[in-house]
Amino acid sequence: AQTVTQSQPEMSVQEAETVTLSCTYDTSESNYYLFWYKQPPSRQMILVIRQEAYKQQNATENRFSVNFQKAAKSFSLKISDSQLGDTAMYFCAFMRSRGSNYKLTFGKGTLLTVNP
Amino acid sequence: GAGVSQSPRYKVAKRGQDVALRCDPISGHVSLFWYQQALGQGPEFLTYFQNEAQLDKSGLPSDRFFAERPEGSVSTLKIQRTQQEDSAVYLCASSLGQGATNTGELFFGEGSRLTVL
Repeated sequence: AQTVTQSQPEMSVQEAETVTLSCTYDTSESNYYLFWYKQPPSRQMILVIRQEAYKQQNATENRFSVNFQKAAKSFSLKISDSQLGDTAMYFCAFMRSRGSNYKLTFGKGTLLTVNP
Repeated sequence: GAGVSQSPRYKVAKRGQDVALRCDPISGHVSLFWYQQALGQGPEFLTYFQNEAQLDKSGLPSDRFFAERPEGSVSTLKIQRTQQEDSAVYLCASSLGQGATNTGELFFGEGSRLTVL
């Protein structure tokens, strides 16, 4: 079974600064997908960024980028130029690429607060 | 609608009551998922539908939980004889793809928060 660990229950950052959220996972699979989802207060969870394990290049989406270290099974999210609207719960998630390749396994989340 | 719609948003039930939670996915989305999110936890998988077929119900915690999607569109999650441990937010999500073509981007509803007294 896969497990996803987010060791930072809460983090805070000043507006316009950079913050990194940590995620580690455990799997015996060689190919898989990793995701960061954002859950703003009382709003829907939305996908922030996705990484395919067979791709060595780290994914980027505007101010969001990941540091994917496959051997270390680490998948951190970096948010640059933090904005007040980035305040949310952030969940790291894992999905197999075969078999039950539809089931997301989520970590417990990190609550990020961006301060003005 | 433009997004995934869930109702009711909030439900308070007395222990032992039956509840039904509704999910209206994005039109045309083949895959539909239910997740349970306990307070302070990440979502946990309950069940998966591909059109009207329930392909995986391995996450349903007990036989008191039942889900259906009879016409491959709207889905209902039913919980019979609710218990306090059923208190959680129930998230519905849908995606366009199916099986191996599902690259994992799920579109979530706002959830139904169930409180069992």
